[in-house]
Amino acid sequence: QVQLVQSGAEVKKPGASVKVSCKASGYTFTTKYIHWLRQAPGQGLEWMGIINPLGGSTSYAQNLQGRVTMTSDTSTTTVYMELSSLRFDDTAVYYCARDGTSIGSYPDYWGQGTLVTVSS
Amino acid sequence: DIQMTQSPSTLSASVGDRVSITCRASQSISGWLAWYQQKPGEAPKLLIYKASTLESGVPSRFTGSGSGTEFTLTISRLQPDDFATYYCQQYHSFSFTFGPGTKVDIK
Repeated sequence: QVQLVQSGAEVKKPGASVKVSCKASGYTFTTKYIHWLRQAPGQGLEWMGIINPLGGSTSYAQNLQGRVTMTSDTSTTTVYMELSSLRFDDTAVYYCARDGTSIGSYPDYWGQGTLVTVSS
Repeated sequence: DIQMTQSPSTLSASVGDRVSITCRASQSISGWLAWYQQKPGEAPKLLIYKASTLESGVPSRFTGSGSGTEFTLTISRLQPDDFATYYCQQYHSFSFTFGPGTKVDIK
């Protein structure tokens, strides 16, 4: 069965960086893009970017360009999302999610979420 | 960028009601639209993709319709498990945007 298992909760200070991992299993890792999304407390879903695990090509949301980096490791079937220069309003639950097709479309399977808290 | 809106933002209904949620895109997205259900503390769950295709395992009381810029999610007979927040998402031309959500609560 398809599973995406994310790393645990993080508490960071403003200006720091955070790196969240997402280990995929139950399907051929290199055949599906992975999306990253986040949800601030009480708010809606925000799409952050997408990575093709085969080759590592990425596309990021315009408002996060320059602060977000997504990478993949095919040997461990893990993708990573690093967000730098953290601000208080980066406090959110961060999700990875597998793309439902092979061309970039809708997330079908989601990780459990990782809470990142930015606090001084 | 393609912007998505949803209406209403909150919907109060009773078990057994038929409810509909509207999602509008700022430009035509053809049928490249998905719907999700999210309950508190959980990850979103995919309900419908390509505007009207039901994801495997999703009850048939959920239906999606529309194309271009206007889409609708309908729940034919609301069940206790359906009280949640619903999001639409467009995926046209390798861009991805979610609507702000519609909370369905108990009247």
